[in-house]
Amino acid sequence: QVQLVQSGGGVVQPGGSLRLSCAASGFTFSSYGMHWVRQAPGKGLEWVAFTRYDGVNENYTDSVKGRFTISRDNSKNTLYLQMNSLRADDTAVYYCAKDNWANWFDPWGQGTLVTVSS
Amino acid sequence: EIVMTQSPATLSVSPGERATLSCRASQSIANNLAWYQQKPGQAPRLLIYGASTRATGIPPRFSGSGSGTEFTLTIRSLQSEDFAVYYCQQYNNWPPWTFGRGTKVEIK
Repeated sequence: QVQLVQSGGGVVQPGGSLRLSCAASGFTFSSYGMHWVRQAPGKGLEWVAFTRYDGVNENYTDSVKGRFTISRDNSKNTLYLQMNSLRADDTAVYYCAKDNWANWFDPWGQGTLVTVSS
Repeated sequence: EIVMTQSPATLSVSPGERATLSCRASQSIANNLAWYQQKPGQAPRLLIYGASTRATGIPPRFSGSGSGTEFTLTIRSLQSEDFAVYYCQQYNNWPPWTFGRGTKVEIK
């Protein structure tokens, strides 16, 4: 079955960096775009970043442009989110999600908590 | 950016009753709308796409309707496992893909 297993996350100081990973299985990873979506504590869902199936095209929400980088290694079936210059308002559970023709997100990874705090 | 507005924020419903959740888009999105269910401590789960098509494995008590700017998710005969937060999401104009703030369906 299609599965997304996330790793990474944790506590980091403001200005620090962190890399999240999302290992995919059960589908042809190299044929699908992938997203990162986050959810601040007690809040709703916010789309963060998208990468096309081949990693050539990327999109970001305005608040993370220039700080976050989405990437993928199709040989390892793995999606990444490199987060630099982290701020307190980046604190959230981060989810990876499989794209369905730039439409809906399904399925989602289990989520990983990123806490930015001194 | 398309803004998605969900109402109400909280809906109190008794088990076995019907729940009707609304989602409005700030401009027309045709039928390019998805609904997700999220339970505490869990990732969101896709329920509906194309405004009215149930995702694989979603029971028929869940139904979606609407087009343009007004959409509805209806849950017939609420079961205990249906008490959760529900989000709508548009994919007509992107980036960004945008979500509503959610409707919490709680036990009355």
